[in-house]
Amino acid sequence: KAGVTQTPRYLIKTRGQQVTLSCSPISGHRSVSWYQQTPGQGLQFLFEYFSETQRNKGNFPGRFSGRQFSNSRSEMNVSTLELGDSALYLCASRRWSTEAFFGQGTRLTVV
Amino acid sequence: KNEVEQSPQNLTAQEGEFITINCSYSVGISALHWLQQHPGGGIVSLFMLSSGKKKHGRLIATINIQEKHSSLHITASHPRDSAVYICAVKQYGPNAGGTSYGKLTFGQGTILTVHP
Repeated sequence: KAGVTQTPRYLIKTRGQQVTLSCSPISGHRSVSWYQQTPGQGLQFLFEYFSETQRNKGNFPGRFSGRQFSNSRSEMNVSTLELGDSALYLCASRRWSTEAFFGQGTRLTVV
Repeated sequence: KNEVEQSPQNLTAQEGEFITINCSYSVGISALHWLQQHPGGGIVSLFMLSSGKKKHGRLIATINIQEKHSSLHITASHPRDSAVYICAVKQYGPNAGGTSYGKLTFGQGTILTVHP
């Protein structure tokens, strides 16, 4: 059974650009959550999607958005990138209230 | 004060030692997770607990809901156990985000290094 797949693994972008990250959950998992990890703030919750609907959102500006498709794959988008957006972005999938399975993450560097 | 506190922040051990990492939280929770992160970033979920104790191989996790405290124990530690261990809680109540199980609040992590 394939795990959670995140693409791309590494990304370098310039300030002001926008970026889209992708997450393919484990087959049968309908919930996808996104997290940001930085050395200063640690791991922080971004948002969660279930059945194509955003269920909850963390304390991030509106530049951070996401969506989920009918096949449960999810994308997150960050517009007008800032240097402080450099981070490891992780997604996790789950069936519902069960244990979460994390992807390897996408390491975004904003220069 | 963070809602989830881990101790110690750094831990160095010799191979074979018994290791304990502690997690204290100040909010009502419906579940607590122990996660492992190796260099390179990938996170593995070790345990999800809502009460009592769970064991998987050399790893044991316990939780005391009344004291709002959880511990992760590693018996007979090995250099491959070297990683960052992170405690995360799913809050219960108004901040729980309804039925959202993805909204986790994380501790700052414990960096474990096991020397051969």
